[in-house]
Amino acid sequence: DTAVSQTPKYLVTQMGNDKSIKCEQNLGHDTMYWYKQDSKKFLKIMFSYNNKELIINETVPNRFSPKSPDKAHLNLHINSLELGDSAVYFCASLPLAGVEETQYFGPGTRLLVL
Amino acid sequence: GQSLEQPSEVTAVEGAIVQINCTYQTSGFYGLSWYQQHDGGAPTFLSYNGLDGLEETGRFSSFLSRSDSYGYLLLQELQMKDSASYFCAAFFTGGGNKLTFGTGTQLKVEL
Repeated sequence: DTAVSQTPKYLVTQMGNDKSIKCEQNLGHDTMYWYKQDSKKFLKIMFSYNNKELIINETVPNRFSPKSPDKAHLNLHINSLELGDSAVYFCASLPLAGVEETQYFGPGTRLLVL
Repeated sequence: GQSLEQPSEVTAVEGAIVQINCTYQTSGFYGLSWYQQHDGGAPTFLSYNGLDGLEETGRFSSFLSRSDSYGYLLLQELQMKDSASYFCAAFFTGGGNKLTFGTGTQLKVEL
């Protein structure tokens, strides 16, 4: 009964390729996020969706395009992958009820661009 | 701006008590959360302070002082399994439910 799931868990690809990461949550939460964690473990928010609507876009290159087909899914498509895109990408979800609610993170997708 | 600073590394021995500090910029600050992340794992929620004072959850406690723009996570009776990265994180009003994470503290527990 995984709360937040991501696929794939590992992704190794060549520079210039296009790839997608998928995220699903079965918690009934309204808000979903994508975070990027670099090699220094710094967690930085990329995007946030609330009930399929984009509400946060944190100065991310437009090679990154999120899509939310419904409030339980948030996918991330990356065009023309670059070496600097190598990182761990975490999906997370949050109920809209209040800021004191915990964010639930997916297991992460480890992307390595060669 | 919205930033949270933490020490990069803390080392302690098994059975000891360790405190991980977090200082933050006050503009729009709403509340402070703490997350634990083991190597290769995902961040998991530990605690939240919406009000000043101490919140206790088993061996872990978290403290907030809004007047000092400061909080800490206290880990008691340290165990080897507590070796992990610890992040403070905060919501800031006007940020659209955006959780900003601190720089992270790598805790190493030694025998």
